[in-house]
Amino acid sequence: DSGVTQTPKHLITATGQRVTLRCSPRSGDLSVYWYQQSLDQGLQFLIQYYNGEERAKGNILERFSAQQFPDLHSELNLSSLELGDSALYFCASSASWGGEQFFGPGTRLTVL
Amino acid sequence: SQQGEEDPQALSIQEGENATMNCSYKTSINNLQWYRQNSGRGLVHLILIRSNEREKHSGRLRVTLDTSKKSSSLLITASRAADTASYFCATDLPSGSARQLTFGSGTQLTVLP
Repeated sequence: DSGVTQTPKHLITATGQRVTLRCSPRSGDLSVYWYQQSLDQGLQFLIQYYNGEERAKGNILERFSAQQFPDLHSELNLSSLELGDSALYFCASSASWGGEQFFGPGTRLTVL
Repeated sequence: SQQGEEDPQALSIQEGENATMNCSYKTSINNLQWYRQNSGRGLVHLILIRSNEREKHSGRLRVTLDTSKKSSSLLITASRAADTASYFCATDLPSGSARQLTFGSGTQLTVLP
């Protein structure tokens, strides 16, 4: 158990819908990262937050947004969902930049 | 394209044999990390090697880094069936640029009992 929790585990929804994925980092970790893993794109970095502030952006679509709250949990919002958004979404946390990241179990999103 | 590329894409060996996976990358790095992922599960950090280090050991794992060739290798000795998983290298870029890990496409290791 990495200490990073993600909810929900599975999410099935329809195209055009909006969903929110939630992540709680390990106790004490200030950095939260979001990744998308799909068969054709592999593991893609989406966005990083550090102590509530956005610090790095990767291949995140404009339809996606994220935030980190004062209690350090983070949410990833995906809107106007398309079939191609079906993937595993991972959250990770770390105590410092560039160090070891601890991954949550992931949320499997299926868009029908 | 990916910063890190693993080779081979898939590797199948017998229990007790050694497994070697390679990773090549394109730009200067702060450190390089190896992660393991069991099917459909979260990634687990295995080992981190800094750009000024050449070799690192952790249990049955040995990682080497050659910054002149921009490559790293992960050696798993005396493999076990439980080592069956996907292995990813991830590069951390130097300070001043976006500090993010860029993952390779992974090597799928199958250890046959």
